[in-house]
Amino acid sequence: DQQVKQNSPSLSVQEGRISILNCDYTNSMFDYFLWYKKYPAEGPTFLISISSIKDKNEDGRFTVFLNKSAKHLSLHIVPSQPGDSAVYFCAARRSGGSNYKLTFGKGTLLTVNP
Amino acid sequence: GAVVSQHPSRVICKSGTSVKIECRSLDFQATTMFWYRQFPKQSLMLMATSNEGSKATYEQGVEKDKFLINHASLTLSTLTVTSAHPEDSSFYICSAGQGANEKLFFGSGTQLSVL
Repeated sequence: DQQVKQNSPSLSVQEGRISILNCDYTNSMFDYFLWYKKYPAEGPTFLISISSIKDKNEDGRFTVFLNKSAKHLSLHIVPSQPGDSAVYFCAARRSGGSNYKLTFGKGTLLTVNP
Repeated sequence: GAVVSQHPSRVICKSGTSVKIECRSLDFQATTMFWYRQFPKQSLMLMATSNEGSKATYEQGVEKDKFLINHASLTLSTLTVTSAHPEDSSFYICSAGQGANEKLFFGSGTQLSVL
């Protein structure tokens, strides 16, 4: 049972435009959400996170939006750059659980074309 | 940021042999480390939680006798895939958390290919 779903395996955008990566979850016990970026043959690196008490968190070109009622979150990258091309994983943590135990989605491969 | 080193990055072995993968936290002490496995086009699946000085906690469906985890120090955890078979071929990634920080730091991963 996939509790964190990234239904788009890939996304292609033009440099300078906005990239929107989506993530849905089914477990209402999740209270913290993270986005990780992964290049080939490398481990994931933390990008941005959001607590369930917020609906938006912004860090430079990256903004994460959370819609709790819809159990949906999205990562916006604007403007997109070729260096942003990577696999993006959405992850979630249960309330009351270990700080580090995360459930990951399958990832979305973002390609930013020059 | 914190650095987690994983070695080797790639290993090819014959069926039936054992393979050891090392995960080190280079600039911080990690009482807990995590081992994940990723099959192509799949999500990172948590295999086990490695606890320094005590037994690892395995996720449901993960054979503890096949995937031996040792966390002998605050900076090193090892995963040994015993009697590897082709179906064990996968990308294995370790991670560690620093303090109360929920931002896990990941190693660069190990691509295991069992012939």
